[in-house]
Amino acid sequence: DAGVTQSPTHLIKTRGQQVTLRCSPISGHKSVSWYQQVLGQGPQFIFQYYEKEERGRGNFPDRFSARQFPNYSSELNVNALLLGDSALYLCASSPLAAISYEQYFGPGTRLTVT
Amino acid sequence: SQQGEEDPQALSIQEGENATMNCSYKTSINNLQWYRQNSGRGLVHLILIRSNEREKHSGRLRVTLDTSKKSSSLLITASRAADTASYFCATDAYQAGTALIFGKGTTLSVSS
Repeated sequence: DAGVTQSPTHLIKTRGQQVTLRCSPISGHKSVSWYQQVLGQGPQFIFQYYEKEERGRGNFPDRFSARQFPNYSSELNVNALLLGDSALYLCASSPLAAISYEQYFGPGTRLTVT
Repeated sequence: SQQGEEDPQALSIQEGENATMNCSYKTSINNLQWYRQNSGRGLVHLILIRSNEREKHSGRLRVTLDTSKKSSSLLITASRAADTASYFCATDAYQAGTALIFGKGTTLSVSS
């Protein structure tokens, strides 16, 4: 079976622009969560969705939003990009609603804001 | 905010040696997980220990959990060059719904 896929792999945007990142979970997984990883740091939790409902939200500004589609894929949107938004954005999926169990991570999208 | 803090931040050892890394967290948890990340790529789940467990083994990995001290350790025995990676602990925490909170990680370098 295919693992978690994310697109695009790399992205360069200018300050003030908007970006949409996409994630396809492992088949049968209904939970998707998003993380931001700045160079040299651990991943920071942004959102979790399960069955299209938001189950958790990290300490990120309202410029960050996400949604989950009926096929359980997900998009992360970031508006009014700042230089500090440059990071690796990771998506993870799981068959369970509880995020305290094993998460399956995708390879990430590297976002550079100039 | 980050729930877990690993130490050491960096660890360099020779192949065949054991590597121990520690994690501390702040609030009560249901489970604690350890993940590995190679060169800024996706994370791979290594092992999960429940809050009512004290020790767990998986192959060359041994994890301990002390909930009274809010700490965990990961031991990798007989390290190999392929174990070179960053290792993170992750715990669940309530944060506007349940969140998975990662520490800053330990970077392990195993030389042959």
